This record gives sequence, structure tokens and C-alpha cells, in this order.
Amino acid sequence: DAGITQSPRHKVTETGTPVTLRCHQTENHRYMYWYRQDPGHGLRLIHYSYGVKDTDKGEVSDGYSVSRSKTEDFLLTLESATSSQTSVYFCAISATDRIFNSPLHFGNGTRLTVT
Amino acid sequence: QKEVEQNSGPLSVPEGAIASLNCTYSDRGSQSFFWYRQYSGKSPELIMFIYSNGDKEDGRFTAQLNKASQYVSLLIRDSQPSDSATYLCAVTLAAGNKLTFGGGTRVLVKP
Repeated sequence: DAGITQSPRHKVTETGTPVTLRCHQTENHRYMYWYRQDPGHGLRLIHYSYGVKDTDKGEVSDGYSVSRSKTEDFLLTLESATSSQTSVYFCAISATDRIFNSPLHFGNGTRLTVT
Repeated sequence: QKEVEQNSGPLSVPEGAIASLNCTYSDRGSQSFFWYRQYSGKSPELIMFIYSNGDKEDGRFTAQLNKASQYVSLLIRDSQPSDSATYLCAVTLAAGNKLTFGGGTRVLVKP
């Protein structure tokens, strides 16, 4: 177990409400990532972080923001949830310090439903 | 054309046989290649990674990389029912240096 905890594991929310998902790691790794997984689209990168307060956008970042105030925590916020954001969200950390060229370890995922 | 492509399957394999999974990618300059296994309702877990042309073996798994033809394969020898899962190919594309996943191949190993 790579020491990654995601919370909550399941969430149902209404359209228009803000939602924050949390990823916590105990590995002290520099790089952290948020992905979403949808049928027909596979895993897609939302945002990633290369250090405290250092974040950047992935391929599907619209409608999402992130924050990393401590090495161990990476938060994903849906500013105003929409039904298209219903998905399974995975947090991941890099096994070594070679961003995007290292094996990833994934958290257990958060299943988010926006009604 | 998708940047990383996999046949969605299902690939049905008898127990004890070899399962052969293929993944093609569009960016000739790609450098890092990964195979993940994902059981239904679970998170992806790393099986293997390969950086250089040729074969890399780890237990019953062999990854084969051919950069000239832009494909990476995964062979599962002596397939077991516990190998039934979706296998995700991931490639670090040179353009943008981002890790991109294929849609996955579902494998069913039948006793």
C-alpha cells in the first residue's frame, strides 16, 4: 500500500454546489495528480502538483481547481458541480521524482454523483 | 486518432493460455510506457514499466516495446482466473511530456 487515502469514498451532491475531494499521502512524495475515469474516456488528468503551492492544469481542468498547502495533502474542488462531473476520481502519487515518467500509485478513488 | 489506443475487448482466454494485449501510440518520441491492471470497482495498480526497446519480464508478465512501430505489448503467461481485469496502457508522450492512458482492454480468463 502506497499510503494514499482519498476522502470521501462516495459523494452525492446537487448541481451547482461546491465539492472538495481530499487526497492525503504518507510517502512524502513531491508529485501528486488528480485523474477522472469515465467509460469510453479512460483516465484523464485534471490537475497535478509538483510541490507545495505549485500546481498546473491537465487536459480536463475546466470547472476544477486544486490546492496544495502541505506536501501530504492535495485538494480537488469542483467550484459549481455539474452532471458532467459525475465520475470516479483518482488521486495518484509518483513512485519516483520523474514527473510523468514514473510509475504511479493510485488511491482507492472517490465516486462522485452530481444530481 | 487517439494518442494511445487499445482494443477494448473483452479478450477471452482459457486458463493456462497466454493472453496477448496490444497498445499503439501516436507520438514517436514517447519515452516511458506502463501497464496497469484494474479490477472492477478498484483502483489501477502497476504491473510493469518499460523504457527501452525489447522485452522485459517479471514473473508471468512480459512487456514488449517496439518504438519504431510505436506499440507496446503485454503478455500474460499461464493465465489465471485472477488475471481477469481491465489492463490499462499508459504512455508518456513527448509532446507536452504528459502521461496519457489508453481506454483499457478487458481480459476474461475462463477456467
